Amino acid sequence: DGGITQSPKYLFRKEGQNVTLSCEQNLNHDAMYWYRQDPGQGLRLIYYSQIVNDFQKGDIAEGYSVSREKKESFPLTVTSAQKNPTAFYLCASTGTGLAGGPHFGPGTRLTVT
Amino acid sequence: GESVGLHLPTLSVQEGDNSIINCAYSNSASDYFIWYKQESGKGPQFIIDIRSNMDKRQGQRVTVLLNKTVKHLSLQIAATQPGDSAVYFCAEKKGNTPLVFGKGTRLSVIA
Repeated sequence: DGGITQSPKYLFRKEGQNVTLSCEQNLNHDAMYWYRQDPGQGLRLIYYSQIVNDFQKGDIAEGYSVSREKKESFPLTVTSAQKNPTAFYLCASTGTGLAGGPHFGPGTRLTVT
Repeated sequence: GESVGLHLPTLSVQEGDNSIINCAYSNSASDYFIWYKQESGKGPQFIIDIRSNMDKRQGQRVTVLLNKTVKHLSLQIAATQPGDSAVYFCAEKKGNTPLVFGKGTRLSVIA
């Protein structure tokens, strides 16, 4: 988990509310990613950013939004438009080149009731 | 994107035995593959990677084999220990595109 911070570890919200998950990295990585994981499932890509002030939709971007104003930070907002927001959210970052692959944070478990 | 899958969703092995976790990938253009280990409630941890110009890579107690002919990736864990119990994911990518993950295999080590 070293180098990538996600907070809080557990987050509870009422249905209809937007919520923002934070992700900060001090690894000087250019690229950052948000994945969603449902119980017993693999990771699905929500959004990614390869450079500051630029980001691309992943496979399941609907109902989510992101910003990348600083290299170190890539917050994810789960909007009320996301139909099934309860999940485990994982942030990752990677430097240039292929070596090592994305480094993941500890995750935030979001529960919406 | 194309999916990466796994042959077995669960695997139980005796402590001390070797484990083999398999993965099939469908994108023949993928040039980089990674195995991650994920313990309950935590983020995935990098185990080992391999590029498409290699067919074998060894780490500490782990070996990854890549067979591009049949698009198959495997992770071998030697002398499996209780601390190896986790879910293991393979992931693939092509160039600078994001990783695509498989669904995972749960490894249970029987003491």
